[in-house]
Amino acid sequence: GAVVSQHPSRVICKSGTSVKIECRSLDFQATTMFWYRQFPKQSLMLMATSNEGSKATYEQGVEKDKFLINHASLTLSTLTVTSAHPEDSSFYICSASRTTSRQFFGPGTRLTVL
Amino acid sequence: DQQVKQNSPSLSVQEGRISILNCDYTNSMFDYFLWYKKYPAEGPTFLISISSIKDKNEDGRFTVFLNKSAKHLSLHIVPSQPGDSAVYFCAAAPPQGSGDKLTFGTGTRLAVRP
Repeated sequence: GAVVSQHPSRVICKSGTSVKIECRSLDFQATTMFWYRQFPKQSLMLMATSNEGSKATYEQGVEKDKFLINHASLTLSTLTVTSAHPEDSSFYICSASRTTSRQFFGPGTRLTVL
Repeated sequence: DQQVKQNSPSLSVQEGRISILNCDYTNSMFDYFLWYKKYPAEGPTFLISISSIKDKNEDGRFTVFLNKSAKHLSLHIVPSQPGDSAVYFCAAAPPQGSGDKLTFGTGTRLAVRP
């Protein structure tokens, strides 16, 4: 099956710092990668969709200057939370897909901003 | 506006019995539906899917039923096992070529009692 990894799995940072999260498709080339966040006991909320080599498409209400997404290759996308604040603490999950609706999810990254 | 709803936040079932998880959607444009299983602090894993041209899809112990007229789908797990204890999300996708964006429900926490 398709494997998607995320790094780091957990990060704790101070308020005001920036945090980068990597998402890699290990055994397939992902035409599209998605970034979600999940608050406790809530659904996964799509933040943005990115295609390799083009700018990400952000969902309504998601600040693109705060959540920088780079999809530099068909196997790597990064999400950078800039000037993180405690309200950004959440569980961030990426997924990758080829050409069908099947998305393969990464294991998630738990971000805690102190 | 929650386009995909899972009205039962939790469900408890005895081992060996049937688990039935329900999902309702409002957007008639959705034509592909998926169920994901999620353990705490992990990414979702794909379980089973169904296209809108079908009303049933079965894979081992898991069966998904789709009632398009009622905009309702359900996941049946039989027999239920303690290892099935997790949060189950249903997700819906628009027709291919519309962006592959999944819309998730809020999840149902299933507990299977030994």
